[in-house]
Amino acid sequence: GENVEQHPSTLSVQEGDSAVIKCTYSDSASNYFPWYKQELGKRPQLIIDIRSNVGEKKDQRIAVTLNKTAKHFSLHITETQPEDSAVYFCAASNYNQGGKLIFGQGTELSVKP
Amino acid sequence: EPEVTQTPSHQVTQMGQEVILRCVPISNHLYFYWYRQILGQKVEFLVSFYNNEISEKSEIFDDQFSVERPDGSNFTLKIRSTKLEDSAMYFCASSVSGQGETFFGQGTRLTVV
Repeated sequence: GENVEQHPSTLSVQEGDSAVIKCTYSDSASNYFPWYKQELGKRPQLIIDIRSNVGEKKDQRIAVTLNKTAKHFSLHITETQPEDSAVYFCAASNYNQGGKLIFGQGTELSVKP
Repeated sequence: EPEVTQTPSHQVTQMGQEVILRCVPISNHLYFYWYRQILGQKVEFLVSFYNNEISEKSEIFDDQFSVERPDGSNFTLKIRSTKLEDSAMYFCASSVSGQGETFFGQGTRLTVV
């Protein structure tokens, strides 16, 4: 069935360093890949997304890259800050089929001051 | 900014009891979803709803679950006979077209005792 694998499960970096989280998806029909940030006890909030017709997208300190051939995509956060500390989830979806999101297992990012 | 709202924020119920979780999606959105997140785990898709009917459901969404849009604004998830393993955070979500950003509610924490 559809599956999204996410690594690492935990990531600890020093403030100012970069953080990279990687995901692999199984369904080749997936064409939409959002990343969500979830703070403790809160709702997931979209931070960036990418569609399958694009290889890279950047928004300030956050970027996402997509390799369709290898079926993997990555989140890059540069110049990390303590407020970036949260759980990050990748997801995959086929937006031609109603937008159901299949989530990865999550990465707990800790940014140490 | 419009947001998905859910009630109640926390519900405690006895095993075997029925519960109804309520959601008000964003008003111009056409696609509605329920997801659940067991504590410390990933977000899991339960069901999607479009044009007043279920468009897709997961294996988790068995006969004990049902969804309804009783009026023009509410979207509900009913669990007929709750089990201990139904304890989780339940997120309602909505999307304009099923082809872009999915917005999540703040969640209902269901505790079955």
